[in-house]
Formats: sequence, C-alpha cells, structure tokens
Amino acid sequence: SAVISQKPSRDICQRGTSLTIQCQVDSQVTMMFWYRQQPGQSLTLIATANQGSEATYESGFVIDKFPISRPNLTFSTLTVSNMSPEDSSIYLCSVRSGSTEETQYFGPGTRLLVL
Amino acid sequence: DQQVKQNSPSLSVQEGRISILNCDYTNSMFDYFLWYKKYPAEGPTFLISISSIKDKNEDGRFTVFLNKSAKHLSLHIVPSQPGDSAVYFCAASAASGGYNKLIFGAGTRLAVHP
Repeated sequence: SAVISQKPSRDICQRGTSLTIQCQVDSQVTMMFWYRQQPGQSLTLIATANQGSEATYESGFVIDKFPISRPNLTFSTLTVSNMSPEDSSIYLCSVRSGSTEETQYFGPGTRLLVL
Repeated sequence: DQQVKQNSPSLSVQEGRISILNCDYTNSMFDYFLWYKKYPAEGPTFLISISSIKDKNEDGRFTVFLNKSAKHLSLHIVPSQPGDSAVYFCAASAASGGYNKLIFGAGTRLAVHP
C-alpha cells in the first residue's frame, strides 16, 4: 500500500483566513481524493484530483471554497478558503493503490479548528 | 439519502469473543465493499475488502461476509482484542462502472474490554 503524509497535522485558524493542506505520496498515483470528516460524522468526499486536469468536485463543494492543485503524480494540495467555524473538521487525502486499484488508502489527516 | 448505513453506533465485546459489525446498503450498483478501522487523531486504516462476485473474504482474524440479496455485509473479528477498540467504517463503491467514489457509513465504535 502507498505511504501518505499530510502537512500540517493540525492547525488552529482564525475565521476569514485560508489554510493549504499538503498531501505527499511515496509512489506515483493517478487519482488522489480529498475527504472531510466533520465532528461526529462520517467521511465525505470533497473532490477527486487527477494530475494535469481540473479537480472534480462533489455536490455541495465548490472550487472557490476548496481549490485543489495536483502538480505531479505524487503531490496535491487542498486549500480551505475564507474559513468559518463550520469548516472545523479533519481533512484527509487518499489514493487508490494495490493490485485491484479499487482500495483507497488514507493519509493521517489534518485536524483543523477554526475560531 | 444515506446509501450506506451502519445502524449500531457502538458495540461492546469481551476480549476473546467475536465482534460482529453490520452494514447495509441501498444502491444495487455497488460492487466493491471495504472496511476501515480508525483510531482518534489518525486516518482510516484499510482492513479488508470484498468484491460482489464473492460472499466471503477472510484475512487472519477478520472475515467479511456479503449477502447481495439482502444488501448486507458484516465484519467478524475473532478473537477480539483490546487493540481492536476503534471506530469501524464500512464503505462501498460502484467500481465496475468507473465510478471511483467511496460512500462511507456513519461508523460503529467498538470497545473490547477485558
């Protein structure tokens, strides 16, 4: 399975500011995914990021709020823009890997608190 | 619309006994199912998966059963150990249609006590 790291691991931010979360994978992967887990909730997919193309956003998530970069096959960033307390969540990146490529593996997550 | 449901928010099991975690789904297009374990302050860890062409998959202490007609899957952990205490998520995808999105259930918190 792929080894995934995220930076920062946690942050406390003021409302109205933006935070960029980095995701690094130890192998080249075609697709990277960004998820959010709000307090007490399950994981929700924000967007799918392919290298060399625009990210595909899920219903309820927009590029202006969550811009994503995917400059190469091992790296991606997610920015949480103009933050409000409702954005307090754990943000997770994941990749598809393995023999079937149907299994997704997750990074350790970025725990964000917006005051 | 909750396509993947874990109706038990918590489960308490004695060490050494069997833990059974259940998951139901509504979308008949789902053909690949996964179980993840999550500790606090960590990302989900992949445990085991099953394709819809099978009805059972086993890996060590973990076995997943799939009942397609009932749209139900379950994860059995035997024997349960204190280190198994975590939140367990089931997830589903419609992989054969090129639809990569994983849909997660709400999770079940398992507590294994001595």
